[in-house]
Amino acid sequence: AQRVTQPEKLLSVFKGAPVELKCNYSYSGSPELFWYVQYSRQRLQLLLRHISRESIKGFTADLNKGETSFHLKKPFAQEEDSAMYYCALSVRSGGYQKVTFGTGTKLQVIP
Amino acid sequence: DVKVTQSSRYLVKRTGEKVFLECVQDMDHENMFWYRQDPGLGLRLIYFSYDVKMKEKGDIPEGYSVSREKKERFSLILESASTNQTSMYLCASSSPLDDRTYTEAFFGQGTRLTVV
Repeated sequence: AQRVTQPEKLLSVFKGAPVELKCNYSYSGSPELFWYVQYSRQRLQLLLRHISRESIKGFTADLNKGETSFHLKKPFAQEEDSAMYYCALSVRSGGYQKVTFGTGTKLQVIP
Repeated sequence: DVKVTQSSRYLVKRTGEKVFLECVQDMDHENMFWYRQDPGLGLRLIYFSYDVKMKEKGDIPEGYSVSREKKERFSLILESASTNQTSMYLCASSSPLDDRTYTEAFFGQGTRLTVV
């Protein structure tokens, strides 16, 4: 069975400091990894996915299959980055998609 | 613009009541999901559906059932609500892009259910 682990419930950083939100996964096949973000009073939305290899709002994430990790990074945190972040693993199983989320990390950027 | 709409934002029900949570998507997506979101536990998958009338159990299906009679609508049913089902419920939808990948999951705004 697939699993996603986000070890930090809360991460507090000062504005301008680097940010790294950790995500580890367990899955024996070829995974597809995502980061979703939920800003206060807004719905959960996609931040980025590993296959697109984009930088969104200054965030990047690299899939490391050897370490089974997909950590989210940003060099300089902004106050508007304060939100709840979820790592997610999408797998194709039996012809259908199953998406598993981690427990989430709350990022708090201190002015 | 993809829209996933959940019928209620807030719901208060009594223990033992039968509760229906409705979700509608307008993008002709094959896949639909129901999650519950609890602090410290993240999103946990209750049920999902990959086609009309097809359903699969997620990780925490106990106490819940689902119905998908039409492609655009996915209902979550609490047969006899209990206080431990007080939670935020999120509906999502997605669709295959090819035989290996899918779109992102698009989420509804959530239904905060309180069982008293």
